[in-house]
Amino acid sequence: DQQVKQNSPSLSVQEGRISILNCDYTNSMFDYFLWYKKYPAEGPTFLISISSIKDKNEDGRFTVFLNKSAKHLSLHIVPSQPGDSAVYFCAARWEYGNKLVFGAGTILRVKS
Amino acid sequence: KAGVTQTPRYLIKTRGQQVTLSCSPISGHRSVSWYQQTPGQGLQFLFEYFSETQRNKGNFPGRFSGRQFSNSRSEMNVSTLELGDSALYLCASSLGTSGGQGIQYFGAGTRLSVL
Repeated sequence: DQQVKQNSPSLSVQEGRISILNCDYTNSMFDYFLWYKKYPAEGPTFLISISSIKDKNEDGRFTVFLNKSAKHLSLHIVPSQPGDSAVYFCAARWEYGNKLVFGAGTILRVKS
Repeated sequence: KAGVTQTPRYLIKTRGQQVTLSCSPISGHRSVSWYQQTPGQGLQFLFEYFSETQRNKGNFPGRFSGRQFSNSRSEMNVSTLELGDSALYLCASSLGTSGGQGIQYFGAGTRLSVL
């Protein structure tokens, strides 16, 4: 059962515009949500996280929004840059263990 | 500060063999988690070790096992390899303490090909 879902396999955005990546989850037992970026032949790189008791966290060009009632989170990248082109994974951490559950990933292409 | 180091980067094995992968976490991190990434299943949690004890386990068969040493370095072993075990195996390290943000830092992975 997919407890964390990223329903968009890919997203294409023009350089300088906003990229919005979405993620849905089904389990209320997650205490943190995280976004990772992954380039080919490399491990995932941590981008930004948000606690389940918050609704927004910002770090430079990256902002994550959490809507607990809808069990939905999104990552906004503003402005998008060609170097942002990568696979983005949404992950959720179990409240009672150091286990991350990942979505399937979204391929972001930023066109210059 | 050095990152997470995984060795080897690439491995080719045949069915029925066994394999051992190694992971050195970030200095000071006591938790090491292992994940399997395949095109069909995405990133799936295998297990986590904290202070030399397995603390969490995913839904993988007993052929997948691991251990952690007193210096926090971890090894993962897969016995009786099957074709479906071909994947990228990722190790992640974290402080592992409660109250943290759940951030895990990943190594570059070991690409295992089973022929």
